[in-house]
Amino acid sequence: GEDVEQSLFLSVREGDSSVINCTYTDSSSTYLYWYKQEPGAGLQLLTYIFSNMDMKQDQRLTVLLNKKDKHLSLRIADTQTGDSAIYFCAETNTGFQKLVFGTGTRLLVSP
Amino acid sequence: DAGVIQSPRHEVTEMGQEVTLRCKPISGHNSLFWYRQTMMRGLELLIYFNNNVPIDDSGMPEDRFSAKMPNASFSTLKIQPSEPRDSAVYFCASRDDNEKLFFGSGTQLSVL
Repeated sequence: GEDVEQSLFLSVREGDSSVINCTYTDSSSTYLYWYKQEPGAGLQLLTYIFSNMDMKQDQRLTVLLNKKDKHLSLRIADTQTGDSAIYFCAETNTGFQKLVFGTGTRLLVSP
Repeated sequence: DAGVIQSPRHEVTEMGQEVTLRCKPISGHNSLFWYRQTMMRGLELLIYFNNNVPIDDSGMPEDRFSAKMPNASFSTLKIQPSEPRDSAVYFCASRDDNEKLFFGSGTQLSVL
């Protein structure tokens, strides 16, 4: 079945860039997503990328997709303390049916 | 739109009791998903519906779990009887035509 892997934890200083990585196994993934979860809240869609794209930029967020290596990354420029949260990578399986989520990466931003 | 609405926000119950979690998806969304989140297993898909029809319930842990979607604007997830290991945050999500998934705020369930 599909599998999505992420590192569990990342710590950065305020103002630095953060890079959160994700690997997936389903070569037929069509859309890949990044979600953010703040404490006590649901998951909020940050951005997504279609599988025929290599890169997508949205303000401070840059998504890079290496389809050959099945590797997805999320770069947050000028990281702020408000960016501290858990970040989930997710992919759709074939047929756009269900999203498979990674384990989540806890980002801690220190002042 | 108010987004995906879940109730209750918190539920504390005793082992053996029936628990019913409720979800109202975003109007116009055709797909609805129930997820469970725990520290040990992360985010697990329990079941999802397309046009009110259950498509994949392979993630439902046991027969104690059941889910229904009687109409396009309402779904329930029921646990009967509940057990302490069911304690988790249960999320409902609905999906739009652009394949984006929107989550509710979740129900924090504690079974004592």
